[in-house]
Amino acid sequence: AAGVIQSPRHLIKEKRETATLKCYPIPRHDTVYWYQQGPGQDPQFLISFYEKMQSDKGSIPDRFSAQQFSDYHSELNMSSLELGDSALYFCASSSTQAGDTQYFGPGTRLTVL
Amino acid sequence: EDQVTQSPEALRLQEGESSSLNCSYTVSGLRGLFWYRQDPGKGPEFLFTLYSAGEEKEKERLKATLTKKESFLHITAPKPEDSATYLCAVQAMGAQKLVFGQGTRLTINP
Repeated sequence: AAGVIQSPRHLIKEKRETATLKCYPIPRHDTVYWYQQGPGQDPQFLISFYEKMQSDKGSIPDRFSAQQFSDYHSELNMSSLELGDSALYFCASSSTQAGDTQYFGPGTRLTVL
Repeated sequence: EDQVTQSPEALRLQEGESSSLNCSYTVSGLRGLFWYRQDPGKGPEFLFTLYSAGEEKEKERLKATLTKKESFLHITAPKPEDSATYLCAVQAMGAQKLVFGQGTRLTINP
């Protein structure tokens, strides 16, 4: 079965640089979520989109922005990167027609030097 | 504020030794409680969704149960490949986000 695809899988950036993470949801899923997981921590919700509209917002820094496109893929844009932004970033997707269970992608490991 | 507490933080068992993991939660109206398995450096893998007190779900050696205040993940006769971190999460009514617990790191020794 098709799963959530994330790219890139690994990303190394310098402080104050920008990064763009991409997420391709499971086919026919209409909702996309972004989570951040620091070392040894649980995933923290950042933001979600339903049918290309922002649907919920968590503790996402103002330096971060995200959007969902017409083909349902989503991008998380991160600017003025800080050392503390180093983490695993997960995208998840769900279908409102099929029970709202969130299925997670493999993640993007971001390292800020 | 919605909150999830998992215990124990870590659990080491011998192969075949059954046990239970606990997830205590407070939420402003439960929409669903979710169990995930996470291997190091990988994305959480969905296991179960529970919606109401008294509900139970089973999959292979795992069984999840739900009360109004907590959920248990029972593991029967575990094998080394069951070693992973098990995450519990709640979703409140009207919300989309999942609120996770800190997880239980389970190690099964052969």
